[in-house]
Amino acid sequence: EIVLAQSPGTLSLSPGERATLSCRATQSVSSNYLAWYQQKPGQAPRLLIYGASSRATGIPDRFSGSGSGTDFTLTISSLEPEDIAVYYCQQSGTSSGTFGQGTKVEIK
Amino acid sequence: EVQLVQSGAEVKKPGESLRISCKGSGYSFTNYWISWVRQMPGKGLEWMGRIDPSDSYSNYSPSFQGHVTISADKSISTAYLQWSSLKASDTAMYYCARVHPTYGDYGVWGQGTTVTVSS
Repeated sequence: EIVLAQSPGTLSLSPGERATLSCRATQSVSSNYLAWYQQKPGQAPRLLIYGASSRATGIPDRFSGSGSGTDFTLTISSLEPEDIAVYYCQQSGTSSGTFGQGTKVEIK
Repeated sequence: EVQLVQSGAEVKKPGESLRISCKGSGYSFTNYWISWVRQMPGKGLEWMGRIDPSDSYSNYSPSFQGHVTISADKSISTAYLQWSSLKASDTAMYYCARVHPTYGDYGVWGQGTTVTVSS
């Protein structure tokens, strides 16, 4: 079973700063099957990025995804107050849907 | 509008059985797998398993295999998550999500069903 490890656990940044979130897999993940989600308190998760680098419909272009193999990154180019949330990566390439443990993004 | 609508909150006692539902609308239900995801209080997302509504083939995370059953009734565009004997540790929010056939991502989520198991 592929395990996803996200880092850091918590990221505290000021508005306008760049946020870089990491997701590392224990085995190679096909880029087609790596997604990122945003979850705000009391809400269901929302798809941000699919296929490692494609933005989902309606997602602002300050969100971008990159990476391949075992290392993937979600970047928020300029943090907005509404980006306070927990972010999860997910792989779905092995007849499963493993999630990372999440990165909490806070405004400093 | 494409949506998944889940059944309402449940409060149960340990040992009781339960089935919660997830009804799809606005799309062809049999063209997309449905996955179930658990979120325990204050914790992260855990993939439980998924089902192909076209033939009811399902597979599970090893962590949940044998503890829950995922099923679907394509005639009413509804997927189910079922327990035969609940435990206090099953207390959580449960989400269903639609699986994209090409990329495997979850672009559509239900609103979640809270399950509380307490004596």
